[in-house]
Amino acid sequence: AQSVAQPEDQVNVAEGNPLTVKCTYSVSGNPYLFWYVQYPNRGLQFLLKYITGDNLVKGSYGFEAEFNKSQTSFHLKKPSALVSDSALYFCAVRDTWDDKIIFGKGTRLHILP
Amino acid sequence: DAGVIQSPRHEVTEMGQEVTLRCKPISGHDYLFWYRQTMMRGLELLIYFNNNVPIDDSGMPEDRFSAKMPNASFSTLKIQPSEPRDSAVYFCASSTRDRYIPSTDTQYFGPGTRLTVL
Repeated sequence: AQSVAQPEDQVNVAEGNPLTVKCTYSVSGNPYLFWYVQYPNRGLQFLLKYITGDNLVKGSYGFEAEFNKSQTSFHLKKPSALVSDSALYFCAVRDTWDDKIIFGKGTRLHILP
Repeated sequence: DAGVIQSPRHEVTEMGQEVTLRCKPISGHDYLFWYRQTMMRGLELLIYFNNNVPIDDSGMPEDRFSAKMPNASFSTLKIQPSEPRDSAVYFCASSTRDRYIPSTDTQYFGPGTRLTVL
């Protein structure tokens, strides 16, 4: 069965510094990986996804994520954090041919001015 | 496109009452998902539909919960009778399947319905 783990409940980063939000996964087939962001009182918004090909995926708002098959990880990154990036971030995984996406518990990102 | 539309945005009801949550998916999307979000359990998939047909309802917590999709543009999630532990934010999401790589479609979420059962 597929699963996804976000080991950090919260990440604090100073504005202007690079940020990383960690995610590891487990699937039996080929993984399809997603990152979503949730702002207060809003639904989840799609940021980016990995399907195949280049291990570095670029997404919305300057975010990118790196797929690492050997480490079964898909960490979210941004070179320079903004205060407006403060939100709840969800990693999600889907196994090949599976309809369902499994979401992680979420990581709350605080960008400190 | 207006995106996924959910109503109401907030619902406060008393224990024992019937609650109906509504969702209008993005036009052309053939998958519809209902999720529940709580602090304790995170985001849980309750049920999903494909072409208006329920495919997997294994996440529906109890018989008190039911969901329907009478047509491609409308779905409901009903709780009868409601209980305080049903208090949560309920999200609807929709997607359309890529015919070549079926599992890669992106789900688009509605703004959610915040349900409070007193």
